[in-house]
Amino acid sequence: DIQMTQSPSTLSASVGDRVTITCRASQSISSWLAWYQQKLGKAPNLLIYKASTLEGGVPSRFSGSGSGTEFTLTISSLQADDFATYYCQQYNSYPYSFGQGTKLEIK
Amino acid sequence: EVQLVETGGGLIQPGASLRLSCAASGFIVSAKHMSWVRQAPGKGLDWVSVIYSGGTTYYADSVKGRFTVSRDNSKNTLFLQMNSLRAEDTAVYYCARGSGSYYDYSYYYYMDVWGKGTTVTVSS
Repeated sequence: DIQMTQSPSTLSASVGDRVTITCRASQSISSWLAWYQQKLGKAPNLLIYKASTLEGGVPSRFSGSGSGTEFTLTISSLQADDFATYYCQQYNSYPYSFGQGTKLEIK
Repeated sequence: EVQLVETGGGLIQPGASLRLSCAASGFIVSAKHMSWVRQAPGKGLDWVSVIYSGGTTYYADSVKGRFTVSRDNSKNTLFLQMNSLRAEDTAVYYCARGSGSYYDYSYYYYMDVWGKGTTVTVSS
């Protein structure tokens, strides 16, 4: 099974900051990686798929990169609405697996 | 509008069974790969199962042999039959639509539409 590890687990930042979240896979997953945003008490919302393709309607301040085992999610200029928990997920093979999540907090 | 609505959650005793439903609108369930994902209280996301458009199913090891995913095409609804429930199955259960591609003889599907979830609590 493929293990997904995110870092950091918690990130404190301010509105306007540029932030980066890292996701590592225990083996190569090519570019079969998605990023989701989840707000408290809500369902996850797809942000990025295939490592770097922005889902329709997602603001362009979100971007993804990477391939193989190392991936990043970058928010170029944090907005108040971006404070949430972010998860990466590999869909290279079953069982699908998620990272443990990165909680983005207001500094 | 594309929408998924889960129902069927509740408080259930260990060892009992429960069936969750996920009613879809705006698309045809049988034409898509559909997944169940759960989230225990205060924890991260945990993939549970998938049913392909062709009917193939896969399960997480933690639920294999106890949970069964199925669908009713006439009702455009996805189901998760959960048997022999344990305390560790307590979670919010989400259904999600798969989108993606068939490449090099394999399917690669991420989850692009999610329901709001239904809560299952397993406790005596």
